[in-house]
Amino acid sequence: DTAVSQTPKYLVTQMGNDKSIKCEQNLGHDTMYWYKQDSKKFLKIMFSYNNKELIINETVPNRFSPKSPDKAHLNLHINSLELGDSAVYFCASSQIRTSGRHQYFGPGTRLTVT
Amino acid sequence: RKEVEQDPGPFNVPEGATVAFNCTYSNSASQSFFWYRQDCRKEPKLLMSVYSSGNEDGRFTAQLNRASQYISLLIRDSKLSDSATYLCAVIYSGNTPLVFGKGTRLSVIA
Repeated sequence: DTAVSQTPKYLVTQMGNDKSIKCEQNLGHDTMYWYKQDSKKFLKIMFSYNNKELIINETVPNRFSPKSPDKAHLNLHINSLELGDSAVYFCASSQIRTSGRHQYFGPGTRLTVT
Repeated sequence: RKEVEQDPGPFNVPEGATVAFNCTYSNSASQSFFWYRQDCRKEPKLLMSVYSSGNEDGRFTAQLNRASQYISLLIRDSKLSDSATYLCAVIYSGNTPLVFGKGTRLSVIA
């Protein structure tokens, strides 16, 4: 069973469009994250949700809106896509209250904006 | 100063070599430390956590130096399959997410 899954795996779209990426985890974790990995391979946090509540919102354009309908899901909606949004977006989850707290990552969504 | 810095690499080493990566972090209050491995076009996967006393997992040894604020990863007897990008990651506290370094690329050559 896949622990953290994302859909779609690839997304090619034109500038100005609106798109969503979905993420689900079946690990029973209480915290989920969105990371962006740019062309230089730098992996940077965008958002973090704990028990469906937004706890981290880094400096991200407000065109990006995360939504967590329940603890197992964290979706990312992007409005008015721009060329600079092209990147790989990774969802991750962790259990904050355990001693480990390391994160499990989904396979990533490769977004290309043309 | 960047929060988490790593040797950029790439490191090109022959099979069987021993290779070491270092990573420095700027926040002295950092609580948890990890090494992740990322293969090309794949997601990062946890390689090992780093404990204060240092820890070993087979050919891999991780060490933490809180005084100098760095962590290290030593790979002995390198295999071709070790070729990947190695990312160090730090958690500051509480609910804060991982802060990653930019990664060090390793190529093990036959």
